[in-house]
Amino acid sequence: EDKVVQSPLSLVVHEGDTVTLNCSYEVTNFRSLLWYKQEKKAPTFLFMLTSSGIEKKSGRLSSILDKKELSSILNITATQTGDSAIYLCAASIQGAQKLVFGQGTRLTINP
Amino acid sequence: NAGVTQTPKFQVLKTGQSMTLQCAQDMNHEYMSWYRQDPGMGLRLIHYSVGAGITDQGEVPNGYNVSRSTTEDFPLRLLSAAPSQTSVYFCASSGLIGPGAPYEQYFGPGTRLTVT
Repeated sequence: EDKVVQSPLSLVVHEGDTVTLNCSYEVTNFRSLLWYKQEKKAPTFLFMLTSSGIEKKSGRLSSILDKKELSSILNITATQTGDSAIYLCAASIQGAQKLVFGQGTRLTINP
Repeated sequence: NAGVTQTPKFQVLKTGQSMTLQCAQDMNHEYMSWYRQDPGMGLRLIHYSVGAGITDQGEVPNGYNVSRSTTEDFPLRLLSAAPSQTSVYFCASSGLIGPGAPYEQYFGPGTRLTVT
């Protein structure tokens, strides 16, 4: 059965800290790994990773995929209260035509 | 572009009632899908479609039906609502990479459904 697991499930840090969120996957016919941020409403897309070892960056957020370890991390540096959200990762599966989501990590940034 | 739209935003049903959640997209995306989100469980795929006239089951299809008569619309029908279907429902759409892997999905604003 295809599975995506995120850790930790919940994280509380102070503004200015750096956080690392983890995502591991066990899926057949892996195509790519996607990260989303979900605040009050719908998830919004952050990154899509298809190649191992190539970092994707957007401002203070960055992510990298390790196909050997079947995992990905999402880093957020100099966190701000606006980074508080649920962060979801998903594996895109070729042939099966679907995304499999992890449970999400609820990140809370305290001022 | 309106993107992905969903109606209604909120709905309360009694056990046994039926209803249809509407979803439409104006991005000419081939792939459309329905998810439900429950606390601590991420997003679980209910049904999906890779084009008009083609639908398939996801992880949790029981109690739901879908159809895709046009590229734009992908309604989700609850046949006989049960309290276990209380959840937030998201519709999403995307293009397809190569032989059929969806990529960046655009999500609608969600429908919060309560079944009493």
